[in-house]
Amino acid sequence: AQSVSQHNHHVILSEAASLELGCNYSYGGTVNLFWYVQYPGQHLQLLLKYFSGDPLVKGIKGFEAEFIKSKFSFNLRKPSVQWSDTAEYFCAVKPLNMDSNYQLIWGAGTKLIIKP
Amino acid sequence: DGGITQSPKYLFRKEGQNVTLSCEQNLNHDAMYWYRQDPGQGLRLIYYSQIVNDFQKGDIAEGYSVSREKKESFPLTVTSAQKNPTAFYLCASSIEGLGPSYNEQFFGPGTRLTVL
Repeated sequence: AQSVSQHNHHVILSEAASLELGCNYSYGGTVNLFWYVQYPGQHLQLLLKYFSGDPLVKGIKGFEAEFIKSKFSFNLRKPSVQWSDTAEYFCAVKPLNMDSNYQLIWGAGTKLIIKP
Repeated sequence: DGGITQSPKYLFRKEGQNVTLSCEQNLNHDAMYWYRQDPGQGLRLIYYSQIVNDFQKGDIAEGYSVSREKKESFPLTVTSAQKNPTAFYLCASSIEGLGPSYNEQFFGPGTRLTVL
C-alpha cells in the first residue's frame, strides 16, 4: 500500500535554528507533493506544493521544500525558525494514478516546538 | 468571511448511539470531504462528495454515513457500527473533486468526538 513517512513526530528547536523535516513516500510513479501546517487553534492550511518543474519550491513564511525523485523525498526546510513557526506540519502525496483515485495520502505529522 | 465551519467543536457520545457532525462551507466549492485523524497517524479519508446528491466511500467508510442534499452542507453520521469512533474529524472542501489536476483542499477547524 502507498504510504507517507514523516521521520520525526516531535521536534524542538531554539529560535534562529535551521529546520529540516523529513518526508518520504512509497509510490514509484508521478506525484504531486504538499506540505500543510496547522498552527495552534487554527485550521489546517497549505504551506507549499510541488507539481512539476523546479524541484525546489518556495512557500509562505520563508519555508521551502526540495523534491528528490531518486530518494522519494520531499523535505521541508527553513534556514532560521521563529517562535511563531510552532505548529504541526503534515506532508501529503497525491499519486497521479487512477487506481489511487487521486486521493491525498497523508503522513502522521510532525509537531514542531520553537523555544523563544 | 468565506470558510468552512464544523460543529460542535467537542462531542461526547455514549456507546451505541449515533451522532451527526455538521460541516458547512460558503466557498461555493463543489467537492467536500470527511477525514479522520488519530494520534500518530495521518489523515484518512472517510467519505467524499464531488457534487450534490452524490458521494463515494473513502478508505475507512465502515460505520459512517453521509448525505449531500445541498452544496454547502456535508454532514457525517457516526453510527453505532463504528467500532472505534473516538477521534478528531476534519471536514474539507475544494473547487473540484478528486482528479489529476491541482485542487487545493481547504479545511474546517475539526470536531473532537469522544465515546464514553
